[in-house]
Amino acid sequence: EPEVTQTPSHQVTQMGQEVILRCVPISNHLYFYWYRQILGQKVEFLVSFYNNEISEKSEIFDDQFSVERPDGSNFTLKIRSTKLEDSAMYFCASSDHNSPLHFGNGTRLTVT
Amino acid sequence: DAKTTQPTSMDCAEGRAANLPCNHSTISGNEYVYWYRQIHSQGPQYIIHGLKNNETNEMASLIITEDRKSSTLILPHATLRDTAVYYCIVRVLTGANSKLTFGKGITLSVRP
Repeated sequence: EPEVTQTPSHQVTQMGQEVILRCVPISNHLYFYWYRQILGQKVEFLVSFYNNEISEKSEIFDDQFSVERPDGSNFTLKIRSTKLEDSAMYFCASSDHNSPLHFGNGTRLTVT
Repeated sequence: DAKTTQPTSMDCAEGRAANLPCNHSTISGNEYVYWYRQIHSQGPQYIIHGLKNNETNEMASLIITEDRKSSTLILPHATLRDTAVYYCIVRVLTGANSKLTFGKGITLSVRP
């Protein structure tokens, strides 16, 4: 069964550094999403992406965040200057038109 | 702005049916009921969804009341591996902005 894959599984970075989280969505899917989950808290929506542009973003997704689909297979989340409070699990998801979202197993980001 | 309410937790015995309730009294006519689960810190896993008819797949059954104000997810023969947080989510199924909004979910503990 096709699945969403995310790399790396764990990323450690120092405060102020840039990080790029990578995702390979399911190949025929058209809609892409990033979510995050701070330890012990809810899964929170960050951004959705369709037709090479952001279709919706949350208040969390400020100017420090950006997304890109650099080629036909990858979908990336960049955090420009990480803060301690960016430490969380980051989940990528993809979906086809009018179909359920399928999530990857996440990247654990630790900012020190 | 939670649109669903679920109990905080429940448990059931291995091999028995687990019936997980959800209230969505303000659901709109174009909103579907989705169920996801999250095992430990893995990515959310899609289980099932429905609009107004009962649905069944290889994982579970979804029973939606006639007035659509509540639903029940049924795991017919719970196993220890079904221990997880289960999320009931209402979702408008239209195009690019059809994100999922997660609440706190219900923690299901399956006991031996």
